[in-house]
Amino acid sequence: GNSVTQMEGPVTLSEEAFLTINCTYTATGYPSLFWYVQYPGEGLQLLLKATKADDKGSNKGFEATYRKETTSFHLEKGSVQVSDSAVYFCARLGGTSYGKLTFGQGTILTVHP
Amino acid sequence: DAGVTQSPTHLIKTRGQQVTLRCSPKSGHDTVSWYQQALGQGPQFIFQYYEEEERQRGNFPDRFSGHQFPNYSSELNVNALLLGDSALYLCASSLTGGYTFGSGTRLTVV
Repeated sequence: GNSVTQMEGPVTLSEEAFLTINCTYTATGYPSLFWYVQYPGEGLQLLLKATKADDKGSNKGFEATYRKETTSFHLEKGSVQVSDSAVYFCARLGGTSYGKLTFGQGTILTVHP
Repeated sequence: DAGVTQSPTHLIKTRGQQVTLRCSPKSGHDTVSWYQQALGQGPQFIFQYYEEEERQRGNFPDRFSGHQFPNYSSELNVNALLLGDSALYLCASSLTGGYTFGSGTRLTVV
């Protein structure tokens, strides 16, 4: 079945460090790919998305590129801030526009001043 | 513009009881999906409603049921609660695939 695998956390960084959170997905069909962020006590917020191979999603300094050849969608940010501390989820949406989202297990990011 | 609204925010129930969670979708959205997020895990798809019908269902037992009303709002019902049903229940609404999540209902079963 469809699945998403994220790098295990937690990830702890100092402010202004470079961030990479790895994500790979099963290649069934032509999924859309997403990164969601969850702050403590809150629901999920869409961070960025990409709908086809080689697309780059970006938002708030975060970027991720849809790599079909490596079935990956790694999240990157050049300089993290304390306010980026949250849980990050990679997700795929099945081949139909109304399909279910399949999430990775989440990666906890903590950024220290 | 109000986003997705879920109620209640928190809930404590006893094993064996039944619970109903409610969701009002974002204005203009016609599809509602429900997810269960256990502590430390990613959300798991329960089911999706469109035009008042269950369109897709995840790997959850029949104890989990739902409903969608003509105004697109939705309810999630869970019968015969188990301790393992303790989780954050998230509602997501969408129109042509753009999903917006609510803040969730934290259900604790004791």
